[in-house]
Amino acid sequence: GENVEQHPSTLSVQEGDSAVIKCTYSDSASNYFPWYKQELGKGPQLIIDIRSNVGEKKDQRIAVTLNKTAKHFSLHITETQPEDSAVYFCAARSYSGAGSYQLTFGKGTKLSVIP
Amino acid sequence: DAGITQSPRHKVTETGTPVTLRCHQTENHRYMYWYRQDPEHGLRLIHYSYGVKDTDKGEVSDGYSVSRSKTEDFLLTLESATSSQTSVYFCAISEDVYTGELFFGEGSRLTVL
Repeated sequence: GENVEQHPSTLSVQEGDSAVIKCTYSDSASNYFPWYKQELGKGPQLIIDIRSNVGEKKDQRIAVTLNKTAKHFSLHITETQPEDSAVYFCAARSYSGAGSYQLTFGKGTKLSVIP
Repeated sequence: DAGITQSPRHKVTETGTPVTLRCHQTENHRYMYWYRQDPEHGLRLIHYSYGVKDTDKGEVSDGYSVSRSKTEDFLLTLESATSSQTSVYFCAISEDVYTGELFFGEGSRLTVL
């Protein structure tokens, strides 16, 4: 099955600096890579995603890049703000048989933005 | 926010007792999932459903069973709870498995003593 590695597990940045979180995946057939943000006491929420036919996608201060050859993708947050503090999860979707797809998540990165 | 309600939100139980967690959705989405979240493992899929009475196993299904008798309800049952099942359980739904977006509930924290 798919295996997703995520680094770093914790990240502290000064407010206004950039943050980068990296993930690698093992299944070359995976074709969809979402990023989720989880605030304390809540469920994860999708913040951005990218499909395998696209190399980069941006949405205001966040961007995701995908390198299919190397099988890695990254989340970039610019001009970080205290409200960006949360746990971020990457995921990869692979085919699991019988017409079904499954998301495999990384273990998460706890981002702390220091005012 | 997607209309997903998990109950109970918190539960403490003893080893060997049965436990049922309920997920209720008002979005009429076809796909429903149960994940567990642990600090050392992140989010792992337990079981999922692709329609009424249609379910399948995920990565960590041992010790868990599920049922879906109505589109809106997906139940997760621990027949005989163990301390290793102490975790936070999340229900998620998706409309279309191909487009992929999952909407998560608020989670149910289960402690097995």
